[in-house]
Amino acid sequence: DQQVKQNSPSLSVQEGRISILNCDYTNSMFDYFLWYKKYPAEGPTFLISISSIKDKNEDGRFTVFLNKSAKHLSLHIVPSQPGDSAVYFCAAYNFNKFYFGSGTKLNVKP
Amino acid sequence: EADIYQTPRYLVIGTGKKITLECSQTMGHDKMYWYQQDPGMELHLIHYSYGVNSTEKGDLSSESTVSRIRTEHFPLTLESARPSHTSQYLCASSEASGKRTYNEQFFGPGTRLTVL
Repeated sequence: DQQVKQNSPSLSVQEGRISILNCDYTNSMFDYFLWYKKYPAEGPTFLISISSIKDKNEDGRFTVFLNKSAKHLSLHIVPSQPGDSAVYFCAAYNFNKFYFGSGTKLNVKP
Repeated sequence: EADIYQTPRYLVIGTGKKITLECSQTMGHDKMYWYQQDPGMELHLIHYSYGVNSTEKGDLSSESTVSRIRTEHFPLTLESARPSHTSQYLCASSEASGKRTYNEQFFGPGTRLTVL
């Protein structure tokens, strides 16, 4: 039973434009939501998170939005850069466990 | 910078062999995790540990076993490898946290296992 879903396996964006990565979840008890970035042959690295009591968190070019009523979160990257090309995993946390989505591969074209 | 290491990075092995995937971290983290990931799929938690002598099974059933004799070391063992065990195995660690708060997970680079 997959509790965190990323329905878009890939996304292609032009450099300088906005990248929007989406994630849906089923469990309303999650306390935190996180985004990880993964380059080939490396482990995921933490990018940004949001508490379930907030609806927006911003860190430089990265903003995460949380819509609890829709059980949906999104990651906005503005402006997108070629170095942002990677796989992005959405994750949710509660009771000592992290639950991951299947990832979205972002390609930022120069 | 995260200091968490996994060896080997790649392993090709025959059916029936016993293997141990190593994971070590130098950050003094109490919590450690093993995830299994197939290409294009989500990371599945297969084992975790709160500290020395503590191990728990994750949500995905796994035939592997783990041990936590030292804080920095969390090896994963498959007694008899099968082709169905072919996957990527990712180790992670974090500081201890409350049940409803989290501390950042740091991931190792992963071990890509192929069982023929």
